[in-house]
Amino acid sequence: KNQVEQSPQSLIILEGKNCTLQCNYTVSPFSNLRWYKQDTGRGPVSLTIMTFSENTKSNGRYTATLDADTKQSSLHITASQLSDSASYICVVSPQTGANNLFFGTGTRLTVIP
Amino acid sequence: AAGVIQSPRHLIKEKRETATLKCYPIPRHDTVYWYQQGPGQDPQFLISFYEKMQSDKGSIPDRFSAQQFSDYHSELNMSSLELGDSALYFCASSPDGGGYEQYFGPGTRLTVT
Repeated sequence: KNQVEQSPQSLIILEGKNCTLQCNYTVSPFSNLRWYKQDTGRGPVSLTIMTFSENTKSNGRYTATLDADTKQSSLHITASQLSDSASYICVVSPQTGANNLFFGTGTRLTVIP
Repeated sequence: AAGVIQSPRHLIKEKRETATLKCYPIPRHDTVYWYQQGPGQDPQFLISFYEKMQSDKGSIPDRFSAQQFSDYHSELNMSSLELGDSALYFCASSPDGGGYEQYFGPGTRLTVT
């Protein structure tokens, strides 16, 4: 069972609109959670990274939130642009020092003019 | 800023052939990770190295091997290639033994025919 679940699986929004992507995880213990943007066929690009003590972190038009109690995170994109069209992946790192990461299923965002 | 370099970017091989993928981490990064991403799938962790020693092992097939060299670059050797090995292979690097932020390379697209 995937320990990191994302929703929705896909999303289509109009250019200029805002949207919020969700990530629920069961990975435990927990060290940090990252959001990546991945264009088709390209390597993931880090957007934000949060430890368990951080509730929110922003990177330009991207704002991520984290609730370590409920094991939920969200990525809010404001004033969307056509270039925001990509897959957004939530990645959780366990605390034990293992080098592995747990990848979410991703949300495919399409921004249309 | 320097990024993770992977070569080649594209590779076409026939079944039962061998392939070698190379990864050059960001300078002063001592940890390298390899991921395999099949079409429409999440990236799957294969193996990682820290200071030239294998630090973690994921779902790497026995037909694959990897190593990290004294200059910290890494090579993923794949033998007896199968059609199912067609995928995007990502390399990521981290400083200080990893465990926090991983910086991904652009990936190598391997096509097995």
